[in-house]
Amino acid sequence: AQSVSQHNHHVILSEAASLELGCNYSYGGTVNLFWYVQYPGQHLQLLLKYFSGDPLVKGIKGFEAEFIKSKFSFNLRKPSVQWSDTAEYFCAVNTNAGKSTFGDGTTLTVKP
Amino acid sequence: DAGVIQSPRHEVTEMGQEVTLRCKPISGHNSLFWYRQTMMRGLELLIYFNNNVPIDDSGMPEDRFSAKMPNASFSTLKIQPSEPRDSAVYFCASRRGVGGMMYEQYFGPGTRLTVT
Repeated sequence: AQSVSQHNHHVILSEAASLELGCNYSYGGTVNLFWYVQYPGQHLQLLLKYFSGDPLVKGIKGFEAEFIKSKFSFNLRKPSVQWSDTAEYFCAVNTNAGKSTFGDGTTLTVKP
Repeated sequence: DAGVIQSPRHEVTEMGQEVTLRCKPISGHNSLFWYRQTMMRGLELLIYFNNNVPIDDSGMPEDRFSAKMPNASFSTLKIQPSEPRDSAVYFCASRRGVGGMMYEQYFGPGTRLTVT
């Protein structure tokens, strides 16, 4: 069965600090990978996605993620966070079996 | 497109009452998902449909929960009878493509359910 692991449950950073959120998945076949963001009181929305090509993908608001197939990882990065990035971040995997699996989420708090 | 539409946005009910949550997916999307989100359990997949057919309902917590998708533009999640531990935000999401590997899910605004 596929699974997604997000290692950090809660991350606290100061503004302008760099961010890296870990995501590892387990599935032996082809996968597509996603990061979603949920701002306080809102629904999940897509931040970025990878399905083929360049393993470094860029998303909205300066976020990027790198797919490392050998490590089954898809870590999310941002060089300089802002207070408005305070949110919960979910990594997700789609497999060729049609199923989507979400990680448990990482809460990011950015101090002004 | 209006996006995924859910109703009601807020529901407060007493224990033992029947609750029905509604969802209208994005037109043309073939897959529909129901999730529950709480502080304790996080985001949980309850059930998903492909082309109106339930594919995986292993996340439905117990027989008090049921979901239907009578057509491509409407789905319901029913809780009967409701209990205080059902209090949560319930999200509906839709995705294009039956296989849908390449596509992201679009989430509705959620229904905040409070059972007293």
